[in-house]
Amino acid sequence: DVVLTQSPLSLPVTLGQPASISCRSSQSLVHSNGNNYFNWFHQRPGQSPRRLIYRISDRDSGVPDRFSGSGSGIDFTLKISRVEADDVGIYYCMQGTHWPWTFGQGTKVEIK
Amino acid sequence: EVQLVESGGALVQPGGSLRLSCAASGFTFSLYWMSWVRQAPGKGLEWVGNTDEEGTDKYYVDSVKGRFTISRDNARNSLYLQMGSLRAEDTAVYYCARNDAPGTVDYWGQGTLVTVSS
Repeated sequence: DVVLTQSPLSLPVTLGQPASISCRSSQSLVHSNGNNYFNWFHQRPGQSPRRLIYRISDRDSGVPDRFSGSGSGIDFTLKISRVEADDVGIYYCMQGTHWPWTFGQGTKVEIK
Repeated sequence: EVQLVESGGALVQPGGSLRLSCAASGFTFSLYWMSWVRQAPGKGLEWVGNTDEEGTDKYYVDSVKGRFTISRDNARNSLYLQMGSLRAEDTAVYYCARNDAPGTVDYWGQGTLVTVSS
């Protein structure tokens, strides 16, 4: 199975400052059709996950442009340009290129 | 508005069975692959399995193969997860989610809690 390793696992951030989460895959996430099925999700306490980014860098409708995804192959990054209070929670990367689909361990973002 | 509402979660003894349901509305259910994802208490997310639009092609994580079965009833806009030979490690909140494109899910339900314990 593909193992996704996120870092850091805990990320204290200052409001208004940037933040970055890394996700490294144990194998390339390039599908045989050339696509990269790589996603980022955000889960607030007590809520269901919400997708932020799909196909590495496509932002979902309603997701602020403060969020951006980048990367290729095995290394991927989620960046928040200016952290707001509403951004706290756990961020998960997920790959849907290889069966079984797998998630990273999660990165907990909290305000300093 | 897309809505996914899971039900059927309960306390069940090890070795027991349970069927979860997911009622879909706000979209043409029969046109979408669907997924089940679970989250053990205080832990991360684990994909359980997927089914194609007609319930013909199904994929499962190894830990549930042979014990869990995903099915769907497009006439009733419903997705199901039949769970058998339940173990303590199956204790989790189970979410259904819509696959809006290959390799991803967009909308999630609120989840239903399954607790396996004697």
